Amino acid sequence: GENVEQHPSTLSVQEGDSAVIKCTYSDSASNYFPWYKQELGKRPQLIIDIRSNVGEKKDQRIAVTLNKTAKHFSLHITETQPEDSAVYFCAASVRSGAGSYQLTFGKGTKLSVIP
Amino acid sequence: NAGVTQTPKFRVLKTGQSMTLLCAQDMNHEYMYWYRQDPGMGLRLIHYSVGEGTTAKGEVPDGYNVSRLKKQNFLLGLESAAPSQTSVYFCASSLTSGGLNREQYFGPGTRLTVT
Repeated sequence: GENVEQHPSTLSVQEGDSAVIKCTYSDSASNYFPWYKQELGKRPQLIIDIRSNVGEKKDQRIAVTLNKTAKHFSLHITETQPEDSAVYFCAASVRSGAGSYQLTFGKGTKLSVIP
Repeated sequence: NAGVTQTPKFRVLKTGQSMTLLCAQDMNHEYMYWYRQDPGMGLRLIHYSVGEGTTAKGEVPDGYNVSRLKKQNFLLGLESAAPSQTSVYFCASSLTSGGLNREQYFGPGTRLTVT
């Protein structure tokens, strides 16, 4: 099955600096890569996603890049703010034997933005 | 719309007891999922459903059963709880799994402790 590795597990940045979280996946058939943000005690929420036919996607201060050849994708947050502090999860979607697609998640990165 | 809801929010069980977690969604989604979240482990798929009356095993199905008798509800059962099942359980739903509108929406979670 799919295996998703996520680094780093913890990340501290000064407010206003950029943060980068990296993930690698094992199954070259994976075609969809979402990123979820989970604040303490809350549910995971989708913040950005990218499909395998796109190399980069941006939404305001958040961007995701995908390198299919190397099988890795990254989340970039610019001009970080204290409210960006949370756990971030990457995921990869691959087709299962039943014909539907399932997400495999990385283990998460705890981002702390220091004011 | 309430989105995805879960009951109960918290539960403490003794080893060997049974319980059922209920997930409900009002978005007319076809796909529903049960995940467990453990510290440092990310989200792991337990079981999922591709439509009313269907269920399938995910990555960590042992010790759990599920049912999807109605499209809007997805039940997760523990027949004989074990301490290893202490976790936070999240339900999610999506309109599709492999095309557009494949975003998974998560419920608020159920914190289960087995003593």
